[in-house]
Amino acid sequence: GNSVTQMEGPVTLSEEAFLTINCTYTATGYPSLFWYVQYPGEGLQLLLKATKADDKGSNKGFEATYRKETTSFHLEKGSVQVSDSAVYFCALTFNQAGTALIFGKGTTLSVSS
Amino acid sequence: EPEVTQTPSHQVTQMGQEVILRCVPISNHLYFYWYRQILGQKVEFLVSFYNNEISEKSEIFDDQFSVERPDGSNFTLKIRSTKLEDSAMYFCASSPPGLSSYNEQFFGPGTRLTVL
Repeated sequence: GNSVTQMEGPVTLSEEAFLTINCTYTATGYPSLFWYVQYPGEGLQLLLKATKADDKGSNKGFEATYRKETTSFHLEKGSVQVSDSAVYFCALTFNQAGTALIFGKGTTLSVSS
Repeated sequence: EPEVTQTPSHQVTQMGQEVILRCVPISNHLYFYWYRQILGQKVEFLVSFYNNEISEKSEIFDDQFSVERPDGSNFTLKIRSTKLEDSAMYFCASSPPGLSSYNEQFFGPGTRLTVL
């Protein structure tokens, strides 16, 4: 079946540190890959996406590259801020409206000043 | 910027009671979804809805669940007889019409359901 595996959290970093959150997937076919972020008390917001192999998604200083050979979509940021503290979810879906998003368990990031 | 809204933000109910969770999707969207997240676990798909019909559902979405679009704006999830294990955060989402190149879904803030 289709699934997403994320590294366990919480991840605790100091401001300006480098961030990596690992995500790997298992899928039959060619999914699109997403990172969603959930700030405290808010809903899920799309952070970035990649729709085919070797695509790089980027937004707000975050990046992730769709690696088909390693079935991975790791999230990175060069210098985190306190405001990046949130829960990050890796997800996949197939390119048809109405199709379910399949999420990983989420990784909590806590950034201190 | 248009957004998905959900009410209530928190619902407390007794086991065995019926609950209705409400969502207002983004106005020009045609695909609607419900997901849930049990505390500490992953976000799980429940159901998707299009053109007044269920288009896909998970094995979680059993006979105690139902969805409805009662008017032109609301999308509801009904749980007929709640169980303790239904306690979770329930997220509504919607996506635009047409064949999306990547099926982006826009999420609401969630309703926390607590079953006592």
